[in-house]
Amino acid sequence: QVHLQESGPGLVKPSQTLSLTCAVSGGSIESGSSFWSWIRQPAGKGLEWLGRINFIGKTDYSHSLNSRVTISSDTSKNQVSLRLSSVTAADTAVYYCARLQRRGYSPEGSFDIWGQGTMVTVSS
Amino acid sequence: QSALTQPASVSGSPGQSITISCTGTSSDVGGYNYVSWYQQHPGKAPQVMIYDVRDRPSGVSYRFSGSKSGNTASLTISGLQAEDEADYYCSSYSSSNTYVFGTGTKVTVL
Repeated sequence: QVHLQESGPGLVKPSQTLSLTCAVSGGSIESGSSFWSWIRQPAGKGLEWLGRINFIGKTDYSHSLNSRVTISSDTSKNQVSLRLSSVTAADTAVYYCARLQRRGYSPEGSFDIWGQGTMVTVSS
Repeated sequence: QSALTQPASVSGSPGQSITISCTGTSSDVGGYNYVSWYQQHPGKAPQVMIYDVRDRPSGVSYRFSGSKSGNTASLTISGLQAEDEADYYCSSYSSSNTYVFGTGTKVTVL
C-alpha cells in the first residue's frame, strides 16, 4: 500500500521560497507507471495542479506558475520535493502530494493516492 | 489554462439521482479521455471516484458513474445517501502535458 507524507515549514515569509517534501513509502518513485504531482488548495477554494515529475525526472508545470515552481526527486530517499519561489499571501494553501497513476498503456491517468496535505501560510 | 466549469452546488433527497457537469474545451475535456472525478469531505484529502471518464476504482460504489459528451463530462450519483454529502471536483488532462481541475461542486443531501 503506497503512502504519501508531506512535510515542511508551516510558515513562510513573503518573497521567500516555499520548500516541501513528499516521502513515499510502500512503493518506489521509480515506477514507470507513475507520475508524482503537487496540488494545492487555498482555504475554502478549489484544487490547483502545480506540476509533476516522472520516474526519469522529467517535469511538467502549470503554465500559470511555470517560472516559480520546481519539482525534483531523490531516488535514494524515495521522495519528491516542491520549491515555489517569490511567494505571496496568495500562495497560502494546503499543499498535497499525489500519485498520478497510468493504467495499462495509457500515457496519462488520474490522481489515485493523496497525502494528507500540509498547510503553508505566507505571512511576515 | 482556465479551471473547468462546474455548478457551485447541487442538492437532492436521499434515494434520488443527481448529476454534476464539468465543462471545458477541446484542449482538455473534449480532446482526451482522461477525465476523473474526486470526492472531498471537509478536512480530508480528495479521493478518486471515477477515472478515464467512466471507470470506477475498486471499492467505489456502483452508484457513482461518469460520462462525457463533447466538451462536457458528467458525474451521476444514484441512490443518493447522506455519506455522499461532500465537495466534488472534476479533473482533465490538458494539452502541453498539464492537468486542470474543475471549480468544484458542493453536494447537499436534503
